[in-house]
Amino acid sequence: GAVVSQHPSRVICKSGTSVKIECRSLDFQATTMFWYRQFPKQSLMLMATSNEGSKATYEQGVEKDKFLINHASLTLSTLTVTSAHPEDSSFYICSARRSGGSGEQYFGPGTRLTVT
Amino acid sequence: QKEVEQNSGPLSVPEGAIASLNCTYSDRGSQSFFWYRQYSGKSPELIMFIYSNGDKEDGRFTAQLNKASQYVSLLIRDSQPSDSATYLCAVSNTGTASKLTFGTGTRLQVTL
Repeated sequence: GAVVSQHPSRVICKSGTSVKIECRSLDFQATTMFWYRQFPKQSLMLMATSNEGSKATYEQGVEKDKFLINHASLTLSTLTVTSAHPEDSSFYICSARRSGGSGEQYFGPGTRLTVT
Repeated sequence: QKEVEQNSGPLSVPEGAIASLNCTYSDRGSQSFFWYRQYSGKSPELIMFIYSNGDKEDGRFTAQLNKASQYVSLLIRDSQPSDSATYLCAVSNTGTASKLTFGTGTRLQVTL
C-alpha cells in the first residue's frame, strides 16, 4: 500500500511554455500533498503544501503565480510550471500524507523537467 | 544552527556489518521522526518512522529515538551493497501543518 504516482516522469519543453505535472495517491486518500524540487546533489526543497479543496500554501521565495497548484480531490494534486525558463529545470517530486496516519509522507517517483 | 543535522558522509561499511546513521534536531516540539532512503536520481522511499522514545525494529532496520538528547538514529544490520544510498532524516512538528523538515542526508557506501 501507500503508492504515489507522478506523471510525466520526464519532460522537455521550450522556454516560455507551461508544463503540468500530476501527482496521484493510488491506494489511499491524501488530504495533504506536498511539492518539492531537488537540484543535483542537493537536499529536497519544499515548495508548497497542497490541501484538498483549498489554496496551496507556498514556502518563502516560491512564486505562487509561476508554480500553480491545484488539489481538486483526495487523490490528485497538480503542479503547473508556467512560462518555464531554463533555471526551472529540476527534479520535481510530490508526496502525499496519508489521512489519519502518523504524519508520514509517501513520495512519487518524481518528474525530471528540462527547459531548453 | 540547522534544524536537522546529519553527517554528509560518505559512511563506508563492509558488507555484513552494522551501519549506524545519526541525526540531531533542534526543535524540542518535534513529535514524529522519519527515515527515508534515496537512491541517486530517484525519489525518497520511507523506511521507518518513530515517535516514542526507545527502539523500533523492522527487519534489518532499527530506529532509535532519544527526545531528551534530541537525537534519532537508524541502524542497518547485515548491510548489503543494495543499501548503498543517501539516508534522509526528517522531523515533523504537528504545529507546522505536517511539514517535514529534512536533513541533508548521509551517503552510505556498503563495500564488498
